[in-house]
Amino acid sequence: EVQLVESGGGLVQPGGSLRLSCAASGFTFSSYWMHWVRQAPGKGLEWVSRIASDGSTTNNADFVKGRFTISRDNAKNTLYLQMNSLTVEDTAMYYCVRVEMGWGQGTMVTVSS
Amino acid sequence: EIVMTQSPATLSVSPGERATLSCRASQSVSSNLAWIQQKPGQAPRLLIFGAATRATGIPARFSGSGSGREFTLTISSLQSEDFAVYYCQQYSDWPLTFGGGTKVEI
Repeated sequence: EVQLVESGGGLVQPGGSLRLSCAASGFTFSSYWMHWVRQAPGKGLEWVSRIASDGSTTNNADFVKGRFTISRDNAKNTLYLQMNSLTVEDTAMYYCVRVEMGWGQGTMVTVSS
Repeated sequence: EIVMTQSPATLSVSPGERATLSCRASQSVSSNLAWIQQKPGQAPRLLIFGAATRATGIPARFSGSGSGREFTLTISSLQSEDFAVYYCQQYSDWPLTFGGGTKVEI
């Protein structure tokens, strides 16, 4: 069974940083591109970032503006999202996604003073 | 980026009825189209990928069709647990983009 389990969310002040993690199991993690998608409270789904199966290629949404870094550790079957210079607009549930396979349960990031 | 447009925004149906949801892409996405269900307070759940392939554990009453720019999700006989918001998502090109959602309500 495919499982994606996110962690690392929480309450942070504007300008702060957080590192999200996503532990994957039930499939060959190292063979697939992985994505982060977010959902602000009461809003729709918004793609954030993606990373190639071997980590060699990454792409980010325009709003990231160099603040977020996606990475992965294939030996640990884990995906990461390092988020810096957070603003209140980054408040959202963040989901780890393997397209064509499934979504994690999400981890909530709240940016507030 | 590829813009995904869903219609209708809200669909009012009764249990046991058939529901048909539409999704249109601003350019061809071939069959790189997924349907996602989200219930209040829950994480999104993958229903359909490849435009027509049901994900693991998804009941046969859910079916997807279409290719190119026009897609349809059909729920053949609505059950109480199917009342939710449904999103279409293209993964033909990055950024991944989503439709605005269709809320299926009683």
